[in-house]
Amino acid sequence: AQSVAQPEDQVNVAEGNPLTVKCTYSVSGNPYLFWYVQYPNRGLQFLLKYITGDNLVKGSYGFEAEFNKSQTSFHLKKPSALVSDSALYFCAVRVFYGNNRLAFGKGNQVVVIP
Amino acid sequence: DTEVTQTPKHLVMGMTNKKSLKCEQHMGHRAMYWYKQKAKKPPELMFVYSYEKLSINESVPSRFSPECPNSSLLNLHLHALQPEDSALYLCASSEGGANVLTFGAGSRLTVL
Repeated sequence: AQSVAQPEDQVNVAEGNPLTVKCTYSVSGNPYLFWYVQYPNRGLQFLLKYITGDNLVKGSYGFEAEFNKSQTSFHLKKPSALVSDSALYFCAVRVFYGNNRLAFGKGNQVVVIP
Repeated sequence: DTEVTQTPKHLVMGMTNKKSLKCEQHMGHRAMYWYKQKAKKPPELMFVYSYEKLSINESVPSRFSPECPNSSLLNLHLHALQPEDSALYLCASSEGGANVLTFGAGSRLTVL
């Protein structure tokens, strides 16, 4: 079954420092991978996706993610974190055996400390 | 218009009430979804409509009844809910397949 794992529950980072949110995947075949962010009392917002092509994917709000096939990882990164980046981040993978279905990771709470 | 609009934002209901959640999008997306989300947890897929037809029902109890009156609207009818059904209900849409989902802000449901 297609799945993703987010090993950490919470990531704390000082404002201005690099931010990394980890995601590993388990799929058969080529993965379609996504990152979403959820701010308090809001729905999820799409950040970026990897389907094919360049392993470094650039997304919204200065975020990027690197697809690493050998390590089966798709970590989300931002060079310099802002307080406003504090939110819940979800990694997701497309589930091929059913249409229109994503498998989400458990989520990571990111806290950016001023 | 690049938004998914959900109403109401908050809903409190008793276990014997009948209520409905509504979702609307005008992006021309042909797939629409209902998700249930508990606090600090990932969203759980409930239903998917594709081209106005129900394509996925994730074994959701019959006290939740989805409806897709047209390609822009999605409803979730609620009846005889339980307190454990209290959650944030998210509507989403996409162009098709499991492409990028556009989520609404959600309807926060409390069942007393």
